[in-house]
Amino acid sequence: AQKVTQTQTSISVVEKTTVTMDCVYETRDSSYFLFWYKQTASGEIVFLIRQDSYKKENATVGHYSLNFQKPKSSIGLIITATQIEDSAVYFCAMREGGNNNRIFFGDGTQLVVKP
Amino acid sequence: GPKVLQIPSHQIIDMGQMVTLNCDPVSNHLYFYWYKQILGQQMEFLVNFYNGKVMEKSKLFKDQFSVERPDGSYFTLKIQPTALEDSAVYFCASSSGDQNTLYFGAGTRLSVL
Repeated sequence: AQKVTQTQTSISVVEKTTVTMDCVYETRDSSYFLFWYKQTASGEIVFLIRQDSYKKENATVGHYSLNFQKPKSSIGLIITATQIEDSAVYFCAMREGGNNNRIFFGDGTQLVVKP
Repeated sequence: GPKVLQIPSHQIIDMGQMVTLNCDPVSNHLYFYWYKQILGQQMEFLVNFYNGKVMEKSKLFKDQFSVERPDGSYFTLKIQPTALEDSAVYFCASSSGDQNTLYFGAGTRLSVL
């Protein structure tokens, strides 16, 4: 079973609007860590934001914020005031606690921001 | 943010030959990883490495694959011999702790002919 699921394959928005990308995860660990990365057209993978499972407050960094709904095992990424350069593939990822420190990635969501 | 460097950016090699992919992780990081990505699809975990040892490896980490980081130099992924299905982009990542964020290099595109 896939540990991290992103159901949206592609999203297109007009610049300066707000977009939300969905992600659900599966784990039995009580402690885990959630991440969002973006992959640019050049292939570079850039870390954006993280949420630790024990933190109740949603993480915010710049114009990225998270909608962490622990009972639903959901960690949505919200981008406000989108810009053309936000166009990329966005990957949700999870790292479980304990000795297993690999991170699992979702399939990614392609975001296209149009003028 | 912290930078992970990967050398080379693109490697073309004939099937059956050996290839070594090099990664220069962030200087104070202790955990190292290799991921494989085919055609911009999902990032697939290969292996992680800590304190000179493989901690965990996936089914994709075939017997022909090996990793090492001799004396704090490059963290390397060696494939010997290469196969056509090894063609992919290989991403190196590092983190400072086992609960910390992974930072990725720009990837090495491996083309096996």
